[in-house]
Amino acid sequence: DVKVTQSSRYLVKRTGEKVFLECVQDMDHENMFWYRQDPGLGLRLIYFSYDVKMKEKGDIPEGYSVSREKKERFSLILESASTNQTSMYLCASSLLTGYGYTFGSGTRLTVV
Amino acid sequence: RKEVEQDPGPFNVPEGATVAFNCTYSNSASQSFFWYRQDCRKEPKLLMSVYSSGNEDGRFTAQLNRASQYISLLIRDSKLSDSATYLCVVNIRNQFYFGTGTSLTVIP
Repeated sequence: DVKVTQSSRYLVKRTGEKVFLECVQDMDHENMFWYRQDPGLGLRLIYFSYDVKMKEKGDIPEGYSVSREKKERFSLILESASTNQTSMYLCASSLLTGYGYTFGSGTRLTVV
Repeated sequence: RKEVEQDPGPFNVPEGATVAFNCTYSNSASQSFFWYRQDCRKEPKLLMSVYSSGNEDGRFTAQLNRASQYISLLIRDSKLSDSATYLCVVNIRNQFYFGTGTSLTVIP
């Protein structure tokens, strides 16, 4: 089974801090994604990547950046955390475009 | 307008009941369709893909109606373990769009 591992299950950070969320997948998937999930809003795409060093903005990229230096690792960066970035963050990967996603177990981030 | 719309529920059904969820999508260019299941405080997991001719996996049946732009999920003989949120997912030009989910609770 594909495994997508997110480095932290729960995080508490202060407003203004730079925050790194790490995601690693172990099955050589081409595509990786970062979503946030909020009640009533569902999953919203922040950034995605179809290849190493490649990144594309999703629907809500403001306040975030990403890094994909290696195929298996996709990092989400909150440049200056704000309280409205308190959310559940989900990383996903897929073998190829159009294939179903495998999600990591999520990071519940609280910004205080 | 949202790309994918689902009735949030909640659906509360007794064990053994049959329950159906619908999901509508707005973009006729949608290429592929999925149902995901998400347990409380867990990540979404792929339940099944939805094929044009309809498909079945045990107690679960998925249907696609391209003319009316909706997909459905039917669960027969509901089990307590089916309690979860069911997410409808639509692939539009190789980007996945998620519904907000339909909550199901199966009651003993």
